[in-house]
Amino acid sequence: AQSVTQLGSHVSVSEGALVLLRCNYSSSVPPYLFWYVQYPNQGLQLLLKYTSAATLVKGINGFEAEFKKSETSFHLTKPSAHMSDAAEYFCAVITFGGNTPLVFGKGTRLSVIA
Amino acid sequence: DVKVTQSSRYLVKRTGEKVFLECVQDMDHENMFWYRQDPGLGLRLIYFSYDVKMKEKGDIPEGYSVSREKKERFSLILESASTNQTSMYLCASSLGFGGQQPQHFGDGTRLSIL
Repeated sequence: AQSVTQLGSHVSVSEGALVLLRCNYSSSVPPYLFWYVQYPNQGLQLLLKYTSAATLVKGINGFEAEFKKSETSFHLTKPSAHMSDAAEYFCAVITFGGNTPLVFGKGTRLSVIA
Repeated sequence: DVKVTQSSRYLVKRTGEKVFLECVQDMDHENMFWYRQDPGLGLRLIYFSYDVKMKEKGDIPEGYSVSREKKERFSLILESASTNQTSMYLCASSLGFGGQQPQHFGDGTRLSIL
């Protein structure tokens, strides 16, 4: 069965600094991987997805993530944090060709300090 | 754009009441999902449905049931509400399985059971 581990329930960065949110997955077959963002009092919004076309995936709002099979990782990065990036971020996995729902990590809350 | 609409943003009910949470999507998606979200626990899948009148248990179905009489509507039912069901409930939909299709989320219903 697939699973996702997000390292760090809370990450705090200064405005303008690099954002790095970590996600490691476990899957016995090639996975599809997703990052979602949740702003306060809202539902989840898709940031980006990996579907095996390219290992470096660009998403909305300047975020990108790199799929590294050897490390079973899909870390989310942004070169320069903005105050509006403060939110909760969720990594999710589904098995390639699988017939099951997404499996979500427990989330990482990002705080941006002025 | 896909629109997933949850009927209430905030709901307060009493212990023992039968509670209905409604979700409607406007993009003819086959799959619909109900999650609950609690601090530190991330998203936990309650039930999902991949077709009209079909339902599958998720990770935490106890105390809940669902109904899907029409393709666009997926209802979550708390048969006899209890205080431990106080939570944020999120509905999502997706276009078929197979991995590439992301889930689209509603804004959530924050339910308080008194």
